[in-house]
Amino acid sequence: DAKTTQPNSMESNEEEPVHLPCNHSTISGTDYIHWYRQLPSQGPEYVIHGLTSNVNNRMASLAIAEDRKSSTLILHRATLRDAAVYYCILSGVGSNDYKLSFGAGTTVTVRA
Amino acid sequence: DGGITQSPKYLFRKEGQNVTLSCEQNLNHDAMYWYRQDPGQGLRLIYYSQIVNDFQKGDIAEGYSVSREKKESFPLTVTSAQKNPTAFYLCASSPGHRNYGYTFGSGTRLTVV
Repeated sequence: DAKTTQPNSMESNEEEPVHLPCNHSTISGTDYIHWYRQLPSQGPEYVIHGLTSNVNNRMASLAIAEDRKSSTLILHRATLRDAAVYYCILSGVGSNDYKLSFGAGTTVTVRA
Repeated sequence: DGGITQSPKYLFRKEGQNVTLSCEQNLNHDAMYWYRQDPGQGLRLIYYSQIVNDFQKGDIAEGYSVSREKKESFPLTVTSAQKNPTAFYLCASSPGHRNYGYTFGSGTRLTVV
């Protein structure tokens, strides 16, 4: 099964951009790249997802490498409310169903 | 507003008792999922269902059971066979295609006393 690798933690200053890397060197051609984030004692929240092209929405941007073996989630201006665990996940890994497998994620700390 | 409702938010159970966690969605999603999260850990898949009257085991199904009699509902029963049931339980739903994201509930924290 294709897996993702993320740093355990990252720190950022408020109102500065945050770049969260994710490696997925064994990704298959039909796997989508999903990002979720989870605040303490809450359920994960969908952030963004993409297949090949870069994606933007009101929360973040997703930059996907041309070979699709890595991607970067970009928070353009971090706020204290962005402090959370961020998960990078591949969908439909190695099967025909669409369950998501969550790893440990990256814990993002935002300094005021 | 559409969403997923999990109840109760906190649940206490005595050892040896079965307990059922509720999960209801009004998003018209075909697929539903149950995850377990232990402190400081990621989510682990317990069971999932892609259509009504059908469900599959996830990575840690032992000691748990589910049913999917209605599209909107996917209750999880934690049985006495589950050795370490104290955890944070999360329910999610999706349209059932890999191009769509999941919507999660706010979770149920189960404590065995």
